[in-house]
Amino acid sequence: NAGVTQTPKFQVLKTGQSMTLQCAQDMNHNSMYWYRQDPGMGLRLIYYSASEGTTDKGEVPNGYNVSRLNKREFSLRLESAAPSQTSVYFCASSDSSSGNTIYFGEGSWLTVV
Amino acid sequence: GENVEQHPSTLSVQEGDSAVIKCTYSDSASNYFPWYKQELGKRPQLIIDIRSNVGEKKDQRIAVTLNKTAKHFSLHITETQPEDSAVYFCAANFETSYDKVIFGPGTSLSVIP
Repeated sequence: NAGVTQTPKFQVLKTGQSMTLQCAQDMNHNSMYWYRQDPGMGLRLIYYSASEGTTDKGEVPNGYNVSRLNKREFSLRLESAAPSQTSVYFCASSDSSSGNTIYFGEGSWLTVV
Repeated sequence: GENVEQHPSTLSVQEGDSAVIKCTYSDSASNYFPWYKQELGKRPQLIIDIRSNVGEKKDQRIAVTLNKTAKHFSLHITETQPEDSAVYFCAANFETSYDKVIFGPGTSLSVIP
């Protein structure tokens, strides 16, 4: 039981490049999330998905797109990376069956130069 | 707008003393208030949560209190130990959905031996 797995763990991009962060959970959770963490800014919600087939914007959705591919997988895409998107990205999942506790992946460190 | 404020941003206490972190939220419909602890370089993990039908909840040295009228909640850590040193995040759900969970900016707690 791996929990929430996200890849890659580290990535360096050039401005304007695109990339997709992959996330999968094996806890059969309905809800999945993408957060970004910047020093002093806490965890900011980018997008979330309450169930398979639905996605909703969070606090800071601009510059990102998401896909809830199936119940297990929730990907985050940067179409044209900017230095302001340098951050640590956390994928997470939760479910009412687990008391709504949010379980986080280990994080993906992204640097845009 | 949807907002969670958290104070103080940094907190330093002597080992054995108590630590208190306070948060306020903007949506009177919020009904779920979790607290997460994040050690350096690691993922956030839930330490305690409280729901709106309860005013206080305790788990060993940790307690959380909720004042729905004032829209604020607090984390209390008693008999602090060096291993309590970490960043603590409060959070609240919005739009009456357990899926839209927004975090405060965090409090960096240092426990001095």
